[in-house]
Amino acid sequence: KAGVTQTPRYLIKTRGQQVTLSCSPISGHRSVSWYQQTPGQGLQFLFEYFSETQRNKGNFPGRFSGRQFSNSRSEMNVSTLELGDSALYLCASSLLGGERNIQYFGAGTRLSVL
Amino acid sequence: SQQGEEDPQALSIQEGENATMNCSYKTSINNLQWYRQNSGRGLVHLILIRSNEREKHSGRLRVTLDTSKKSSSLLITASRAADTASYFCATEKYGNKLVFGAGTILRVKS
Repeated sequence: KAGVTQTPRYLIKTRGQQVTLSCSPISGHRSVSWYQQTPGQGLQFLFEYFSETQRNKGNFPGRFSGRQFSNSRSEMNVSTLELGDSALYLCASSLLGGERNIQYFGAGTRLSVL
Repeated sequence: SQQGEEDPQALSIQEGENATMNCSYKTSINNLQWYRQNSGRGLVHLILIRSNEREKHSGRLRVTLDTSKKSSSLLITASRAADTASYFCATEKYGNKLVFGAGTILRVKS
């Protein structure tokens, strides 16, 4: 089975631009979660989608948004980029979307905002 | 915000030695998980321990959980150079929302 695939792997953007990151979960997994990793704040939960609905949301501004498609693929969008948005963005999928489930992570998209 | 602290922040040991990492958290949980990350890449799940369990083993890994102290420890026995990585504990209270600790950087010297 193919793992979680994130595209692109690397992105360079300038302040004020917007960006869309993509995540293809493991086949059969219906839950997709997004995390931001920075040296200063560590790993922080952004949001989780299950069956095309956002179920949980972290403490991030409205510039961060996401969606999930009927095939469980997910995208996250960051509008009006700021320097502080430079980070590794990780996507994780799991089978049932409930508690006690293991999350499988992709390799991440490294975003640099100049 | 992060759930809690991991201790130590960094650990350097010789191949063959055991490595112990500790994790503390702040709120009640349903389960606690440990993940490994190599060089800023994706995280790999190592082991999950439920709130009603006290100890769990998987290969060279041993995890303990003390819910009264809100703490957990990860023991890696007979470390190998390939174990060099960052290790994170993550707590889950509900709905796939993992709250991660700051991580421990482990270096195993050969």
